[in-house]
Amino acid sequence: QQQVKQSPQSLIVQKGGISIINCAYENTAFDYFPWYQQFPGKGPALLIAIRPDVSEKKEGRFTISFNKSAKQFSLHIMDSQPGDSATYFCAASRSGSARQLTFGSGTQLTVLP
Amino acid sequence: KAGVTQTPRYLIKTRGQQVTLSCSPISGHRSVSWYQQTPGQGLQFLFEYFSETQRNKGNFPGRFSGRQFSNSRSEMNVSTLELGDSALYLCASSSPDGLSGYTFGSGTRLTVV
Repeated sequence: QQQVKQSPQSLIVQKGGISIINCAYENTAFDYFPWYQQFPGKGPALLIAIRPDVSEKKEGRFTISFNKSAKQFSLHIMDSQPGDSATYFCAASRSGSARQLTFGSGTQLTVLP
Repeated sequence: KAGVTQTPRYLIKTRGQQVTLSCSPISGHRSVSWYQQTPGQGLQFLFEYFSETQRNKGNFPGRFSGRQFSNSRSEMNVSTLELGDSALYLCASSSPDGLSGYTFGSGTRLTVV
């Protein structure tokens, strides 16, 4: 019930292409879905987050699509750049006092120049 | 605005020893969470503290403990270290309303030999 499944494990994209990473969750109590970007030697950095009352959220080149009925959400990186090469994690949590992030297993993104 | 500060950045300990890691949250953030990151298990929630009280705890043995001080700074302690405790330990803080999400520090890399 607490799992968040992320795919693919690794992704190689050409510069300027679209990177798509998918996540699926089981616990319907989750109501906050962030995406994190992590570079080697650094902690995860919040990229963008969405709540279930909207189906899409866009911030610059990053877009989250959310499908509540399918319990799935995805990250789209438009015009991917070599500087986007990093590990991306989806996560989910509940509001209230029991907040904790349940992370997906991560996607290693490589953007080729 | 200063970010989340974790000290030390690197630690090497011997099996059986104990270790204390420190985390200073973003000013004004009262919630501090700890996560363990390993290649095999990914990012796993350890515990969360809010206003000096442990509010939530992950599925880790009792050798893992923590506390939070009145200034919101937090420490985590691991006793009787095992080789499998080698990991990146991450601290994250969030604002009282949780709306700004979790901000992670760069972590403490613990190596148990």
